Amino acid sequence: EPEVTQTPSHQVTQMGQEVILRCVPISNHLYFYWYRQILGQKVEFLVSFYNNEISEKSEIFDDQFSVERPDGSNFTLKIRSTKLEDSAMYFCASSTGTSSYNEQFFGPGTRLTVL
Amino acid sequence: KNEVEQSPQNLTAQEGEFITINCSYSVGISALHWLQQHPGGGIVSLFMLSSGKKKHGRLIATINIQEKHSSLHITASHPRDSAVYICAVTYGNKLVFGAGTILRVKS
Repeated sequence: EPEVTQTPSHQVTQMGQEVILRCVPISNHLYFYWYRQILGQKVEFLVSFYNNEISEKSEIFDDQFSVERPDGSNFTLKIRSTKLEDSAMYFCASSTGTSSYNEQFFGPGTRLTVL
Repeated sequence: KNEVEQSPQNLTAQEGEFITINCSYSVGISALHWLQQHPGGGIVSLFMLSSGKKKHGRLIATINIQEKHSSLHITASHPRDSAVYICAVTYGNKLVFGAGTILRVKS
């Protein structure tokens, strides 16, 4: 069964460093999402992406964040200069569409630890 | 802005018990999702529903659009059902999540 994959599973970085989190969505999906979950808190929406551009982003998704689909399979989230408060689990998701009938499929997550 | 509230926050049950987790939301939506998150962190979709009721094995999900309320039921609960159960609603182009219900089923 097709699934969303994410790498790495755990990333440790120093404050101020750039990190790139990678996702491979399900191959026939067109819509891609990043969510994050700070330990002990709700899952929060970061950004949605369609047709090579951002379709919606949250207040969290400031200039330090960017997303890219560099080739036909990968979808990346870049954090330019990490802060301690960026430590969280980051989930990628994909779907075939955005209507209420399109289920989002989640990857296993990348745990980012900023020291 | 859509707020999603779940209850209870924590639930401990004995194996075999019938379990109900509730979810309410503040703004009209097009779909509601029940998700399961295990200790490792991964999120698995259990149900997506926009009306009525769905059943999958021992899991049943219902939604009342007029009352903006959904319930997730687990029949004959088992220790392997122990996980965090999360309600999320489709709002615009994203999911808005509840805080989750931590379920522990004791044998």
